[in-house]
Amino acid sequence: KAGVTQTPRYLIKTRGQQVTLSCSPISGHRSVSWYQQTPGQGLQFLFEYFSETQRNKGNFPGRFSGRQFSNSRSEMNVSTLELGDSALYLCASSLKVTANTGELFFGEGSRLTVL
Amino acid sequence: QQPVQSPQAVILREGEDAVINCSSSKALYSVHWYRQKHGEAPVFLMILLKGGEQKGHEKISASFNEKKQQSSLYLTASQLSYSGTYFCGTESLEAAGNKLTFGGGTRVLVKP
Repeated sequence: KAGVTQTPRYLIKTRGQQVTLSCSPISGHRSVSWYQQTPGQGLQFLFEYFSETQRNKGNFPGRFSGRQFSNSRSEMNVSTLELGDSALYLCASSLKVTANTGELFFGEGSRLTVL
Repeated sequence: QQPVQSPQAVILREGEDAVINCSSSKALYSVHWYRQKHGEAPVFLMILLKGGEQKGHEKISASFNEKKQQSSLYLTASQLSYSGTYFCGTESLEAAGNKLTFGGGTRVLVKP
């Protein structure tokens, strides 16, 4: 069974640019969450999507957005990149879609460097 | 609010024991534990639910004190494979869906 796949794995952008990251969840998983991981702030929740709808949102500015497609694949977009956006962006999928959080299956992440 | 983990780091010899603590200022529904090895994705270890239910894969035990909103992860007879950064993730009572607030992590190094 294939795991969570994130692309691209590494990318370098300059300030002011925008970036789109992609996540393919495990087959059958309909919930996709995104987390930002930095040495200083640790793992921070960005948002969660289920059935193409954003179900939860973290405390990030509006420059961070996402969407989910009918096949459960998800993308996140960061516009007007800032140096502080440099981080590992992790996607996690879950089979559990009702009530509270179930086991999360994380991808290996997309490492974004903003110059 | 982010849960607080302690210690921040611990070094063990193979076979030794260690305890990692996770404390929250909010009333919790559940506490989740993940381990991340360098350069790899976080991997699920255990869920501890309000009411006492536990779900996990590995032979690593944990506890959840609902009154104190604290959880502890017990690394018993540690193995080299236990090395990595351990994160606790908390879920508040009013949460719905898959959303965790993670602590800052505890780095564990197990030496031969």
